[in-house]
Amino acid sequence: DAKTTQPPSMDCAEGRAANLPCNHSTISGNEYVYWYRQIHSQGPQYIIHGLKNNETNEMASLIITEDRKSSTLILPHATLRDTAVYYCIVRVGSSNDYKLSFGAGTTVTVRA
Amino acid sequence: EPEVTQTPSHQVTQMGQEVILRCVPISNHLYFYWYRQILGQKVEFLVSFYNNEISEKSEIFDDQFSVERPDGSNFTLKIRSTKLEDSAMYFCASSLLNTEAFFGQGTRLTVV
Repeated sequence: DAKTTQPPSMDCAEGRAANLPCNHSTISGNEYVYWYRQIHSQGPQYIIHGLKNNETNEMASLIITEDRKSSTLILPHATLRDTAVYYCIVRVGSSNDYKLSFGAGTTVTVRA
Repeated sequence: EPEVTQTPSHQVTQMGQEVILRCVPISNHLYFYWYRQILGQKVEFLVSFYNNEISEKSEIFDDQFSVERPDGSNFTLKIRSTKLEDSAMYFCASSLLNTEAFFGQGTRLTVV
């Protein structure tokens, strides 16, 4: 199973973009990169996922390098409510299963 | 927006007692999961369930644990004889085939 490496914490100013890096150098060709976040012990919340191409939705953008060994989650205009632990996860298991292996994540603090 | 609901939000039980945690997954989802998070630690996978049987389970999911989908809507986690170390947040999740999982808000289990 491919592992991910994230910085333990980062601060961001409200209204600015937050760029969250993730390394996954052992990712295999059919593994996706998923991002979830957890706000204060609530249930993890799905943000976005991608395979090769960059992805954007209403919450964030995901930039995956061409070699797929790293990615960056971008929160375009961070708000105080974006303060959370952000998890970068490479999907494990068969294509019919969805076991997620959570690491320690990055604790993001958005400051006013 | 459809969501995964879990009840109760907080359960206190005495050591050695049986406890059942309940979840109502999103109605058209096919895969169901239980995760737990001990206070201050990572979110850990327990079990996945598909087509009325367990598809994968972790080492944590020993003989004291069982899951059931007793009807078309509920998904339950039973712990037969609770231990102090079972105290944790328990999260239910569900997904369609090959898609992101959605998590409930969790049940906080306290074993005293």
